[in-house]
Amino acid sequence: NAGVTQTPKFRILKIGQSMTLQCTQDMNHNYMYWYRQDPGMGLKLIYYSVGAGITDKGEVPNGYNVSRSTTEDFPLRLELAAPSQTSVYFCASNLGGGALLPSSYNEQFFGPGTRLTVL
Amino acid sequence: KQEVTQIPAALSVPEGENLVLNCSFTDSAIYNLQWFRQDPGKGLTSLLLIQSSQREQTSGRLNASLDKSSGRSTLYIAASQPGDSATYLCAVWSNNNDMRFGAGTRLTVKP
Repeated sequence: NAGVTQTPKFRILKIGQSMTLQCTQDMNHNYMYWYRQDPGMGLKLIYYSVGAGITDKGEVPNGYNVSRSTTEDFPLRLELAAPSQTSVYFCASNLGGGALLPSSYNEQFFGPGTRLTVL
Repeated sequence: KQEVTQIPAALSVPEGENLVLNCSFTDSAIYNLQWFRQDPGKGLTSLLLIQSSQREQTSGRLNASLDKSSGRSTLYIAASQPGDSATYLCAVWSNNNDMRFGAGTRLTVKP
């Protein structure tokens, strides 16, 4: 398994440009997440999805959009890039499920990240 | 709103020392707690996951404990090695599918 893959690894955008960060997982996980990590900070949840066709906002959703048309893919869209969106973006997934499942079902797996700079 | 705090923010120890990293959270209604390791410029690697019904988990030289009532978790690293140098992140998954991260503890183990 490749696990969670993200493209691109690096990107520089000008203010007002748009782009899509790609995320794919091959573990047949139900739940997928997008986080951003600013320098010296922990990760903050942008959006998440509990299955194909279902998405929900996290802690910092403004300026972003997502879609989940398949189980494998969870792209993150920036429509009008702003300097405040300069960050490292991580995609993650887990199998999901209730508290009665073994702990390994709930383990969060992360992609390698996309470093985005908006100038 | 769940808030996760990690203390200390940075820690430097000599090789071979045993050490404890702390994580505290404000809302005890959690689903699970997970400890991650992050190397500079890299993604996150899962170290240990503790379900809300569990008290601790062990993997090799690592031991993580959870005390929901006091809102605390500790990560114990035995016989530290220079290869353990990294940032360690604590993440709390609340029952509403919301996962909150601490800012991390940057660990340096000196040879």
